[in-house]
Amino acid sequence: TQLLEQSPQFLSIQEGENLTVYCNSSSVFSSLQWYRQEPGEGPVLLVTVVTGGEVKKLKRLTFQFGDARKDSSLHITAAQPGDTGLYLCSQGGSEKLVFGKGTKLTVNP
Amino acid sequence: GAGVSQSPRYKVAKRGQDVALRCDPISGHVSLFWYQQALGQGPEFLTYFQNEAQLDKSGLPSDRFFAERPEGSVSTLKIQRTQQEDSAVYLCASNFRGTYNEQFFGPGTRLTVL
Repeated sequence: TQLLEQSPQFLSIQEGENLTVYCNSSSVFSSLQWYRQEPGEGPVLLVTVVTGGEVKKLKRLTFQFGDARKDSSLHITAAQPGDTGLYLCSQGGSEKLVFGKGTKLTVNP
Repeated sequence: GAGVSQSPRYKVAKRGQDVALRCDPISGHVSLFWYQQALGQGPEFLTYFQNEAQLDKSGLPSDRFFAERPEGSVSTLKIQRTQQEDSAVYLCASNFRGTYNEQFFGPGTRLTVL
């Protein structure tokens, strides 16, 4: 079973700061997804990356997929309180998703 | 509705009681998934349906857990003789069986076993 490690586990920052969170695997991803989960809600898909070296941008969020497809990062520029939530990475490519434990981000106003 | 819905949103059960959790997937979505999310953890896979067929139940933690989707739409996750360790959020997701298995999640049912 593929193990996904996310770091940091917790992150608390002030509004306007930049941040990066990481997702690493013990083996190659066929594809990787990032989700954000707010308290009391289910995860919401942010992006899917497939190709090694791929970079995708979603407004202030930048997602990178490692060249070897074993790691990924999510960078948030000028974080806002609305970015607060649990950021989860998951490997796809098969019927069941395997999730990391997530990074709990708090952005303070 | 437009999204995946789950009911009840909250359930409190006494140890030993049976519970039933319902999931209404997005209309037309062929695949349906159940996950268990413990406090401070990521979701963990329980089981998967394609239409009415349960194709993978490898994540069900014990034979007290049972899921069904008899008409290929609504699904029910049943937990018999609940234990305290069953306390968690149970998430349902559905999927149109897209290429990269992008799933749409419901809000979850928070189960507390006393």
